[in-house]
Amino acid sequence: KAGVTQTPRYLIKTRGQQVTLSCSPISGHRSVSWYQQTPGQGLQFLFEYFSETQRNKGNFPGRFSGRQFSNSRSEMNVSTLELGDSALYLCASSLALAVQETQYFGPGTRLLVL
Amino acid sequence: AQSVTQLDSQVPVFEEAPVELRCNYSSSVSVYLFWYVQYPNQGLQLLLKYLSGSTLVKGINGFEAEFNKSQTSFHLRKPSVHISDTAEYFCAVLKAGNQFYFGTGTSLTVIP
Repeated sequence: KAGVTQTPRYLIKTRGQQVTLSCSPISGHRSVSWYQQTPGQGLQFLFEYFSETQRNKGNFPGRFSGRQFSNSRSEMNVSTLELGDSALYLCASSLALAVQETQYFGPGTRLLVL
Repeated sequence: AQSVTQLDSQVPVFEEAPVELRCNYSSSVSVYLFWYVQYPNQGLQLLLKYLSGSTLVKGINGFEAEFNKSQTSFHLRKPSVHISDTAEYFCAVLKAGNQFYFGTGTSLTVIP
């Protein structure tokens, strides 16, 4: 069974631009969570989607948004990029909500904002 | 308030020696506890988790952790490490509301 895939793997943007990252979960998984990883802040939870609905959201500004499609694939969007948004963005999928089911992580998308 | 504290940012240890990576959490309610490993240029992989039941949890790759409610700790241990265990290790807590909180990570370096 294929693992969690994230596209693109690397991305360079400039301040003020917007970016969309994609995550395809493991087949059959209905929950997708997003995380931001930076050297300074570590791993921080962004949001979790289940059955196309956002079930939980971390403490991030409204510039960060996401959605989930009927096939469970998820996208994350960051508008008006700032230098501090440079990070590794990780996606994780699980069969159901992450509270009980093991999450499987993708390799991440590394975003560099110049 | 910090939900998860990993007390050691870097832990060097010789090959075949035992290791303990420390994790303390802050919560007055029931939590679920996890340890993840991240190898260079890869995503996270679940090592083990504590949801309920036995306080000693066994995971993959010979790792185990013990949940201690009175000390609010969930330390990760391995009796004999290998070179391949060199990686970043993250302790995480899942609180009510399904929010994950991760520690800042412990970099384990196994010295041959």
